[in-house]
Amino acid sequence: DQQVKQNSPSLSVQEGRISILNCDYTNSMFDYFLWYKKYPAEGPTFLISISSIKDKNEDGRFTVFLNKSAKHLSLHIVPSQPGDSAVYFCAASGTYNYQLIWGAGTKLIIKP
Amino acid sequence: EAQVTQNPRYLITVTGKKLTVTCSQNMNHEYMSWYRQDPGLGLRQIYYSMNVEVTDKGDVPEGYKVSRKEKRNFPLILESPSPNQTSLYFCASSLSRGFSYNEQFFGPGTRLTVL
Repeated sequence: DQQVKQNSPSLSVQEGRISILNCDYTNSMFDYFLWYKKYPAEGPTFLISISSIKDKNEDGRFTVFLNKSAKHLSLHIVPSQPGDSAVYFCAASGTYNYQLIWGAGTKLIIKP
Repeated sequence: EAQVTQNPRYLITVTGKKLTVTCSQNMNHEYMSWYRQDPGLGLRQIYYSMNVEVTDKGDVPEGYKVSRKEKRNFPLILESPSPNQTSLYFCASSLSRGFSYNEQFFGPGTRLTVL
């Protein structure tokens, strides 16, 4: 049973518009959430994170929103740029857990 | 340049032939980890190590071994590979074990095919 789910395998967005990537989790013990970005033939790279004590975290064009009651988080990219085309992974961890649990990833395609 | 390196990047082998995938980091990180990535399943942790001589199982440890004799190296060993271990493997490291404070850095990946 997957504890972290990214239900959209792919998403296509026009350049300049907003990209919204979603992630759902089932384990209420998760209290730290991360987004990683992955280009082909490279390892994932850290993008942005959020602690469960917050509901929003912003870093430039990237904002992550956390809805604890719905066990849902989303990554907003505004405006979307061609270089944002990549696979985005959502991951979650508990405070005293030394493992990250990963979603299956969403492939984002930014159309010119 | 701060980095995690993995070798080989690509490997095709046959069932039962022992192999080792090396992983090395030059950032003096305590925590290292191995993942495998399979379509539709995301990344699943195989083993992790919180420091030299300290290793523990992740979610999918069966068929794998690891060792951590030096801080910088964390090799992944497949004693008797089988076709279900065909996958894309990533090594990662971070300063310490708390994900809240420490970003994980990933290697470029090793694509393994077991025939």
